Amino acid sequence: GENVEQHPSTLSVQEGDSAVIKCTYSDSASNYFPWYKQELGKGPQLIIDIRSNVGEKKDQRIAVTLNKTAKHFSLHITETQPEDSAVYFCAASPGSSASKIIFGSGTRLSIRP
Amino acid sequence: DAGVIQSPRHEVTEMGQEVTLRCKPISGHDYLFWYRQTMMRGLELLIYFNNNVPIDDSGMPEDRFSAKMPNASFSTLKIQPSEPRDSAVYFCASSLTTTNEKLFFGSGTQLSVL
Repeated sequence: GENVEQHPSTLSVQEGDSAVIKCTYSDSASNYFPWYKQELGKGPQLIIDIRSNVGEKKDQRIAVTLNKTAKHFSLHITETQPEDSAVYFCAASPGSSASKIIFGSGTRLSIRP
Repeated sequence: DAGVIQSPRHEVTEMGQEVTLRCKPISGHDYLFWYRQTMMRGLELLIYFNNNVPIDDSGMPEDRFSAKMPNASFSTLKIQPSEPRDSAVYFCASSLTTTNEKLFFGSGTQLSVL
C-alpha cells in the first residue's frame, strides 16, 4: 500500500521568510496530493491540492510542486505570517475516493516574530 | 453551512466505561469518515460510510470499537469497554461524492481514558 513520509517534523522560521515542507510517496498509482493545515484545537483543513497532470500549483502565498518521477512533492509558503503557525499534513491518494487518502506524519510550523 | 459538527469536544472517562462520540456531516455529503489522531500513529482511518452504509471498517482496532450511521445526518462511534490506550483525538470528516477526494473535518473529540 501507499506510504507517505514527511519532513521535517518541526520547522521554525522568521516571520517574512519562506517555509518548505517535503513529502515522498511510494505508490506510483497515486495521482492526487492534498495538503491540510491543522490549527490548535481544530480539525485539518484542506489548503491546496495538486493532481499528477501538473507540476506546480499556486494560491497566493502557498504553492505546491510535484515530481512524479522522483515521487516527491513539496509545500512552499512565502512571506510567512504568524497565522501560518500550525501543523501541516501532506497526503497522497490514487484518486477516485477520499477513502484512499494516506496522510504523512505532519510538520509543526512555528513562525518567530 | 455549519460544517461537520462533532460532540462532545472533550470526554474524560474511566477505564471500562462506554464512550459514544457523535458526528453530524455536512448536508449533502455522501461519505462519512472516522479518523483517530495520536502522536505515535498520526491520522488513521478507522471506518467510512457511503450513503449511510459501512464500506470499510478494516481500520477499526478491535471489537470494542463500533460505528453506526442510522441516517444521512448522524453517525456515532462507540468504544465499549474503553481502555487508556484509546486516548486520542477522534475526528469525523465528510466528502461530497465518489470522485471528490476533498475531506471536510470536524473539530474533533479529545478522549481521555483514565
